[in-house]
Amino acid sequence: ETGVTQTPRHLVMGMTNKKSLKCEQHLGHNAMYWYKQSAKKPLELMFVYNFKEQTENNSVPSRFSPECPNSSHLFLHLHTLQPEDSALYLCASSPLRGDTQYFGPGTRLTVL
Amino acid sequence: EDQVTQSPEALRLQEGESSSLNCSYTVSGLRGLFWYRQDPGKGPEFLFTLYSAGEEKEKERLKATLTKKESFLHITAPKPEDSATYLCAVHSAGGTSYGKLTFGQGTILTVHP
Repeated sequence: ETGVTQTPRHLVMGMTNKKSLKCEQHLGHNAMYWYKQSAKKPLELMFVYNFKEQTENNSVPSRFSPECPNSSHLFLHLHTLQPEDSALYLCASSPLRGDTQYFGPGTRLTVL
Repeated sequence: EDQVTQSPEALRLQEGESSSLNCSYTVSGLRGLFWYRQDPGKGPEFLFTLYSAGEEKEKERLKATLTKKESFLHITAPKPEDSATYLCAVHSAGGTSYGKLTFGQGTILTVHP
């Protein structure tokens, strides 16, 4: 595997489910990011991790819970989501916070 | 608050018809301006980073330029495979959000054969 990978690529869940999104980067980077991309809206930054430490939480609801066990892996735990949370969730990484970011293919999430 | 505005929202070109996409920005100290290409259902693909006014970068049919207020992405003799959404983002020196990119809404480019 090369670059930034995300699993699953597609996810359908009910409002009462709990699921997790996974991101893995094979670039040796130290910063990782979660973004939300909704139709007709710019990419919205959700969380930033730098050397496994969370440095940014962009006023994200608590039903989204990030986890960064090491510099190569990033998770987004989801619970009791709302239909308006349906979107493309993108993971990105960069050598250091502030450097050029490289994106994964995204997870298309649908909340029923 | 940082702001990024891209124009036009959508652009339709004939193959070979050169044009430019615009990215206007307002930031409190620019650390970098980034251009990405995004195909439907995929993540953004990095194209260029520009750091200071007057800087230019080229890649195949694409050329990015930067002034103190805006950036242009020039597309020379485009081909149908250049069809995509082009995203502009800025990284500013303002506040405590180091590393935070602010994205524009994108320009949807369609190139017809």
